[in-house]
Amino acid sequence: QKEVEQDPGPLSVPEGAIVSLNCTYSNSAFQYFMWYRQYSRKGPELLMYTYSSGNKEDGRFTAQVDKSSKYISLFIRDSQPSDSATYLCAIRGSYIPTFGRGTSLIVHP
Amino acid sequence: GAGVSQSPSNKVTEKGKDVELRCDPISGHTALYWYRQRLGQGLEFLIYFQGNSAPDKSGLPSDRFSAERTGESVSTLTIQRTQQEDSAVYLCASSLTQGGNQPQHFGDGTRLSIL
Repeated sequence: QKEVEQDPGPLSVPEGAIVSLNCTYSNSAFQYFMWYRQYSRKGPELLMYTYSSGNKEDGRFTAQVDKSSKYISLFIRDSQPSDSATYLCAIRGSYIPTFGRGTSLIVHP
Repeated sequence: GAGVSQSPSNKVTEKGKDVELRCDPISGHTALYWYRQRLGQGLEFLIYFQGNSAPDKSGLPSDRFSAERTGESVSTLTIQRTQQEDSAVYLCASSLTQGGNQPQHFGDGTRLSIL
């Protein structure tokens, strides 16, 4: 079992939909949880960062962490075509984070 | 700009040649990471530098791969005798410190193609 599991998709949704992206992890020592967005031919860009269970909101984005289930989610409200990208979760317990393989999201007009 | 800068952005070379990739971290960031990203895959950790400490080389796939960093500045990743399986995007990231509460900031990568 990989330390971090993430469905690669692609996930295709209509503009305006609520998007749910998810990762599961196996190591309960992981303490810090991040979501990155990666556009084609660009480096990953940090979207959300949290270290506790519960929700963290930033504009249209909400990160949710459930440590008891070892499950993290990223919700995108009112999705836009410009949100089309690959979304990577990253989880760390020490100084080297472990990345999921990314979920490809396509938001069509 | 104030972000992580990588060069070259693209590199095409023949099998067996050596290549050198460069990373300029964000000023003041003491931690620097190199990753490899194969098409459709996640990020594969290669090597990590923290200040003047000995680097963590545990992710380097073979002895053909090496990296250097002088102090808290520029880093170079060198691949000797390149093979076709080395074709990938090589990403560099830096963070303020090594602490888990310090997120990484990435450059746009070097796209390496081995013919």
